[in-house]
Amino acid sequence: EAQVTQNPRYLITVTGKKLTVTCSQNMNHEYMSWYRQDPGLGLRQIYYSMNVEVTDKGDVPEGYKVSRKEKRNFPLILESPSPNQTSLYFCASSLAHSTSYEQYFGPGTRLTVT
Amino acid sequence: DAKTTQPPSMDCAEGRAANLPCNHSTISGNEYVYWYRQIHSQGPQYIIHGLKNNETNEMASLIITEDRKSSTLILPHATLRDTAVYYCIVRVGGGTSYGKLTFGQGTILTVHP
Repeated sequence: EAQVTQNPRYLITVTGKKLTVTCSQNMNHEYMSWYRQDPGLGLRQIYYSMNVEVTDKGDVPEGYKVSRKEKRNFPLILESPSPNQTSLYFCASSLAHSTSYEQYFGPGTRLTVT
Repeated sequence: DAKTTQPPSMDCAEGRAANLPCNHSTISGNEYVYWYRQIHSQGPQYIIHGLKNNETNEMASLIITEDRKSSTLILPHATLRDTAVYYCIVRVGGGTSYGKLTFGQGTILTVHP
């Protein structure tokens, strides 16, 4: 089954404790992206990757890091989480050269930073 | 990418057609209209997209006006499972920013029995 998976689905952590949210897709997609969703602000893009070893900032990259060492994986790293990073996070992927640019989204990771 | 305007909420009776409007008066010639929906904090789900012709798939139909300044998503026979937030997104079909989706506030569609 074609899918984007994220782990963990729920996470409660404390300020300053480094964490990684994993994202994996099994569709051989070149493009992957991270979004965060906050009430009243909608979904905002954090980082994206056009292919392996190619990443770039989205609209709200501060406080986040990403890496793309393998095509299927695109982890989101919070090196020193703060309470304002409490949010619902989504990973997405798509083909890079498709006219439809349909993006597949993961189920989401709900992060709480205390 | 062009900005879109959608009504904040709409209601629809189960079994009836749901017609969700979207205004995108600043759309450029190379920008596509996409529709996604999000059911209760799940990951957004792609529905349909189009450039200037009307489109239909197994989920919905997309009607784009001739001047392309507005469009309507039609769910022909709405069910309770179609209750969701529906997002209309306009973006370029290629280029370096092709992957970025700019989500607005969307329309909360409530399908009632």
